Amino acid sequence: DVVMTQSPLSLPVTLGQPASISCRSSQSLVYSDGNTYLSWFQQRPGQSPRRLIYKVSNRDSGVPDRFSGSGSGTDFTLKISRVEADDVGVYYCMQGTHWPPFTFGQGTKLEIK
Amino acid sequence: EVQLVESGGGFVQPGGSLRLSCAASGFIFSDYDMDWVRQAPGKGLEWVGRTRDKANSYTTEYAASVKGRFIISRDDSDNSLYLQMNSLKTEDTAVYYCGRDFDYWGQGTLVTVSS
Repeated sequence: DVVMTQSPLSLPVTLGQPASISCRSSQSLVYSDGNTYLSWFQQRPGQSPRRLIYKVSNRDSGVPDRFSGSGSGTDFTLKISRVEADDVGVYYCMQGTHWPPFTFGQGTKLEIK
Repeated sequence: EVQLVESGGGFVQPGGSLRLSCAASGFIFSDYDMDWVRQAPGKGLEWVGRTRDKANSYTTEYAASVKGRFIISRDDSDNSLYLQMNSLKTEDTAVYYCGRDFDYWGQGTLVTVSS
């Protein structure tokens, strides 16, 4: 199985400041069709997960452009340009290239400093 | 508007069975792969299994941790997804979410396995 490793696991951020979360996979996530199936999810306290980003850098509908995804191969990053109070929660990366199984990172807890 | 509503969670003893349902609306259900994902209390997300769409012959895949115990099925005529859970273990205690190819998720239903 592909292991997804996120860092940091805890991320205190000052309001209005940028934030960055790293996600590394144990093998390349480039699929035979040329796509890279790496997604990012946000889970606010007490809520269901919500997908923010798919195929590395594509924002889902309704996701603010403060959120951006980048990376290739085995190294990926989720960036928030200016953190708002509404961004508090846990962020997960997930690979969908080598499934089954789909595998998630451990989660990164973003909190306001 | 896409909606996914899970039901059927509850308390069950180890070795018991439970069947979860997910009612879908707002999209053409038969066109989508559907997943079950679970989250143990205070823990991260774990993929449970997937049923493919009609175009992919409704094939199913499972996580190793549930293979042979859980069965995913769907009824496209009723826009419903199911998770039959057998031989339940305490480590199956979790909130179970249904999801449409990961882009939409339900609110989850809690399953507690305990003696």
